[in-house]
Amino acid sequence: AQKITQTQPGMFVQEKEAVTLDCTYDTSDPSYGLFWYKQPSSGEMIFLIYQGSYDQQNATEGRYSLNFQKARKSANLVISASQLGDSAMYFCAMRDSGANNLFFGTGTRLTVIP
Amino acid sequence: DTAVSQTPKYLVTQMGNDKSIKCEQNLGHDTMYWYKQDSKKFLKIMFSYNNKELIINETVPNRFSPKSPDKAHLNLHINSLELGDSAVYFCASSQGPPGPGPQHFGDGTRLSIL
Repeated sequence: AQKITQTQPGMFVQEKEAVTLDCTYDTSDPSYGLFWYKQPSSGEMIFLIYQGSYDQQNATEGRYSLNFQKARKSANLVISASQLGDSAMYFCAMRDSGANNLFFGTGTRLTVIP
Repeated sequence: DTAVSQTPKYLVTQMGNDKSIKCEQNLGHDTMYWYKQDSKKFLKIMFSYNNKELIINETVPNRFSPKSPDKAHLNLHINSLELGDSAVYFCASSQGPPGPGPQHFGDGTRLSIL
């Protein structure tokens, strides 16, 4: 069963605007972690932000914030003040206590328009 | 300082050959992983090693064999390469288990089978 769902294959955003990338997850484990990674065209996987299931506050890292809605099982990534360098594939991932590895979504390709 | 380094970055070879990909991490992490990213960009776990012990082995053909000489290295050996093995292979590492920390990825090895 698919554990991570990213329903937006592609997104466009105007430079300097904010954009939200959607992610929903499925687990019955009360303890889990949610991650977002960026993969630019050069191919490397860059860790952006982490949210633990027990964290009371939404995670933030610079221009990245995670809109964590536990009851809805969603963990959307919000990028504020988009820059041209934000154009990339973005992957949502989850790890629950039943596994050490990450389960990835299918990714969203973000294009920032000048 | 490269945290997770894998070599080679590109690997082009003939069907039927045997090849290896090397991975080293200098983060002092306990767990290392191999992921495969297919042509549709989907990332899936192949193997996970914790303190030199295999703790995950997904449904991967036994032509793929991970080798971990120590906890800082996890190499991937592939026998009798097939066309379907063409993909990008990522090495990653993390602290734990347990632990909510992110997995840090290498830059990937693009394997192309002729």
